[in-house]
Amino acid sequence: GENVEQHPSTLSVQEGDSAVIKCTYSDSASNYFPWYKQELGKRPQLIIDIRSNVGEKKDQRIAVTLNKTAKHFSLHITETQPEDSAVYFCAARIQGAQKLVFGQGTRLTINP
Amino acid sequence: KAGVTQTPRYLIKTRGQQVTLSCSPISGHRSVSWYQQTPGQGLQFLFEYFSETQRNKGNFPGRFSGRQFSNSRSEMNVSTLELGDSALYLCASSPWEGQYLAGANVLTFGAGSRLTVL
Repeated sequence: GENVEQHPSTLSVQEGDSAVIKCTYSDSASNYFPWYKQELGKRPQLIIDIRSNVGEKKDQRIAVTLNKTAKHFSLHITETQPEDSAVYFCAARIQGAQKLVFGQGTRLTINP
Repeated sequence: KAGVTQTPRYLIKTRGQQVTLSCSPISGHRSVSWYQQTPGQGLQFLFEYFSETQRNKGNFPGRFSGRQFSNSRSEMNVSTLELGDSALYLCASSPWEGQYLAGANVLTFGAGSRLTVL
C-alpha cells in the first residue's frame, strides 16, 4: 500500500530564516499532495496542496514543489515567523480514492 | 458556514466497553472520513463514507466500524475497547463531487474526539 516518509521529524530555525520539510511517497498512482499544519491542541488545517500535473505552487511565504519522477515533494516556508511554530504533516492521495496517507509529521520550532 | 462538528470532545472509557463518536460535516459535503491520531502512529486512515456507503477502509480491526446517514452525518463505533485505542479521533469532510475539480479533494477536519481508555 501507499507509504509516505517525512523528514525531518523535528526542525528548529531562527526567525526570518527558511524551513524545508521533505516527503517521499511510494505509490506512483498518487495524484494529490496536501500539507496540513497542526498547532498544539488544535485540528489539522490545510495550508497548501498540489496536484500531480503541477511542479510547483506558491502562496505568499509558503511553497510546495513536486518531483513525480523521484516521487518526492517538499514544503518551503520563507521568512519564518513565531506563528509558524507547529507540527506539519504531508500527505498523499491515490487517484480515485478519498483517502489520505500521512507522513509522520515535523515539529517546527521558530526561535526568536 | 459551520465547520465540521464532532461530539463528544472528550470521553473516558474502560477496557471492554464500547464507544460511539459522532461527526456532522460541513453543509453540502457528502464525503466523511475518519482518522486516528496517536503520538506513536501519527494520523492513520480509518474509513471513508460517501452517500451512506463505505468506499474506503484502512487497516484497522473489525472492532472499528462506522456508518453514514442520509443527511451525511457519520458515526464511528469502537467495540471491546483496548488501552491502545486511546487516541484523538478526527473526522474530516470534503465535497468530493466532481473529484477532479479544484477544491473537491480538500479535507476539512473537525476538532476531534479525544478518547482515553483506562
